[in-house]
Amino acid sequence: EAQVTQNPRYLITVTGKKLTVTCSQNMNHEYMSWYRQDPGLGLRQIYYSMNVEVTDKGDVPEGYKVSRKEKRNFPLILESPSPNQTSLYFCASSLSWGSSEQYFGPGTRLTVT
Amino acid sequence: GENVEQHPSTLSVQEGDSAVIKCTYSDSASNYFPWYKQELGKGPQLIIDIRSNVGEKKDQRIAVTLNKTAKHFSLHITETQPEDSAVYFCASEASGTYKYIFGTGTRLKVLA
Repeated sequence: EAQVTQNPRYLITVTGKKLTVTCSQNMNHEYMSWYRQDPGLGLRQIYYSMNVEVTDKGDVPEGYKVSRKEKRNFPLILESPSPNQTSLYFCASSLSWGSSEQYFGPGTRLTVT
Repeated sequence: GENVEQHPSTLSVQEGDSAVIKCTYSDSASNYFPWYKQELGKGPQLIIDIRSNVGEKKDQRIAVTLNKTAKHFSLHITETQPEDSAVYFCASEASGTYKYIFGTGTRLKVLA
């Protein structure tokens, strides 16, 4: 089944404790992206990747890191999480950028205390 | 920077009525405008999209219209059903970048 998977689905952590949210897709997509969803703000793009080893900042990259060492995986790293990073996070992938449907993962709800 | 404004933020309709959600974008060079539906506890899913060389596109009860001159596009759902209740997001591509810009979402409630 074609899908985007994320782990963990739920995470409660404390300020400053490094964490990684994994994302994997099995559709051989080139473009992958991370979004955060907050009430009243919609979906905001954090980072994206055009292909392996090619990543760039979205609109809200502060406090996040990503890597794209393999085509299928695109982990999101929070080196020192803060409470303002409490949010619902989505990973997405598409065949390419430009007029291409994005497939979203099921989401990761992160709470930073 | 580029932005997409979406209205209304909430919309309640009676089952069988039509629903319209509107988005306005700022980047006149944008060429692709998708609409996503997010059901409770799930990730967004594409329901329809339109490209700038087309003014309207239909898929059964769902249609999208695009007015490039006015820089706005709209989602139309006819004969609404309870399963249409969800959050809907519009989006556009930010030209000159490889980014997507999403609207703030519309929570649609279809009342039985």
